[in-house]
Amino acid sequence: SQQGEEDPQALSIQEGENATMNCSYKTSINNLQWYRQNSGRGLVHLILIRSNEREKHSGRLRVTLDTSKKSSSLLITASRAADTASYFCATDASWNAGNMLTFGGGTRLMVKP
Amino acid sequence: EPEVTQTPSHQVTQMGQEVILRCVPISNHLYFYWYRQILGQKVEFLVSFYNNEISEKSEIFDDQFSVERPDGSNFTLKIRSTKLEDSAMYFCASSDPGREETQYFGPGTRLLVL
Repeated sequence: SQQGEEDPQALSIQEGENATMNCSYKTSINNLQWYRQNSGRGLVHLILIRSNEREKHSGRLRVTLDTSKKSSSLLITASRAADTASYFCATDASWNAGNMLTFGGGTRLMVKP
Repeated sequence: EPEVTQTPSHQVTQMGQEVILRCVPISNHLYFYWYRQILGQKVEFLVSFYNNEISEKSEIFDDQFSVERPDGSNFTLKIRSTKLEDSAMYFCASSDPGREETQYFGPGTRLLVL
């Protein structure tokens, strides 16, 4: 089964606007994580939200999780050109340590100055 | 801030050749992982490693692949006989025993098989 499908696939906004990306998944999860990837580079961990949490903030990032709908959203407020990157959600479906993450296809965000 | 490092950043090899991709995980981490990302596709899990043995592996991780922690700092992925479809970005990751869920990724090795 596929996990972590993001939408939209691509998003283009002006600097200063907010960007919202959504992620849907199919199985129950322990936690859901969001990562950023600049073009051709590594994955940078942004935020983790556990299955018993509904919302989490970190700086300009706000993540929500709705386990009944099996969906999550990532909101970046007051976007900057440096936020231009691909954003991936990744789900961890196990309660054991050291488990695989299942990634979605990502949202390509472009923030125009 | 500690980070995962990977070498080489790029590798070009001929089909059928063996390659070894190297990673240095964050020093106090105990869980190690390899993922790959074929160009334009999703990041895919290959294998996880803990206490000197594989703890989980995906269908992709067949007999052509192996992992090793040859010393206290390095973690390697070996592809015995590369195929064209092994061309991808390979990411190493590690996680902290106290914060197992957060996996920290390295910058990746871009492997091109000709």
